[in-house]
Amino acid sequence: DQQVKQNSPSLSVQEGRISILNCDYTNSMFDYFLWYKKYPAEGPTFLISISSIKDKNEDGRFTVFLNKSAKHLSLHIVPSQPGDSAVYFCAASAQNQGGKLIFGQGTELSVKP
Amino acid sequence: NAGVTQTPKFQVLKTGQSMTLQCAQDMNHNSMYWYRQDPGMGLRLIYYSASEGTTDKGEVPNGYNVSRLNKREFSLRLESAAPSQTSVYFCASTGPGQGNSPLHFGNGTRLTVT
Repeated sequence: DQQVKQNSPSLSVQEGRISILNCDYTNSMFDYFLWYKKYPAEGPTFLISISSIKDKNEDGRFTVFLNKSAKHLSLHIVPSQPGDSAVYFCAASAQNQGGKLIFGQGTELSVKP
Repeated sequence: NAGVTQTPKFQVLKTGQSMTLQCAQDMNHNSMYWYRQDPGMGLRLIYYSASEGTTDKGEVPNGYNVSRLNKREFSLRLESAAPSQTSVYFCASTGPGQGNSPLHFGNGTRLTVT
């Protein structure tokens, strides 16, 4: 049972354009959502997060949107840069379930110059 | 500032062999985790330790054991390795608040079981 799903294994975007990465979840108890970025041969690094009491959080070029009714979140990167090429994982946790992070399968973003 | 350190970086085992993956963090974090990453499966939680002296099972604990040696160290043991345990293993830690504190990951151990 995949509680967090990223249905697009890969995404290719031109430099300077917007990248939109999507994530769906099934557990309505999730109350905190995060995005991680992973380069080859390295561990994932934290990018941005959002609490379930918000519907948007912005940090520089990165914005995360949360639609609780649709159980959907998305990560927008504007403008995209070649250095953004990496695998992006969304993750979710529920405080009343121990706060353990459940990850999606990942989306590989390629930003072409 | 080392953060989370995992050893070894690479390991090849034969079926049935045992080994221990080591993890240490220097951020004074309470909680530590072991994940495995497989193609198309994302990161799946094997075991975690909310604090020194406690450990709990995650999503895929079968075939593994863990030891929270002290606040800094959390090891993962494979008693009898199987080809299905071929994977990249990541250790992570976090401070108070668990789910509301981002995980800090090590750089992984790539394990191949033949």
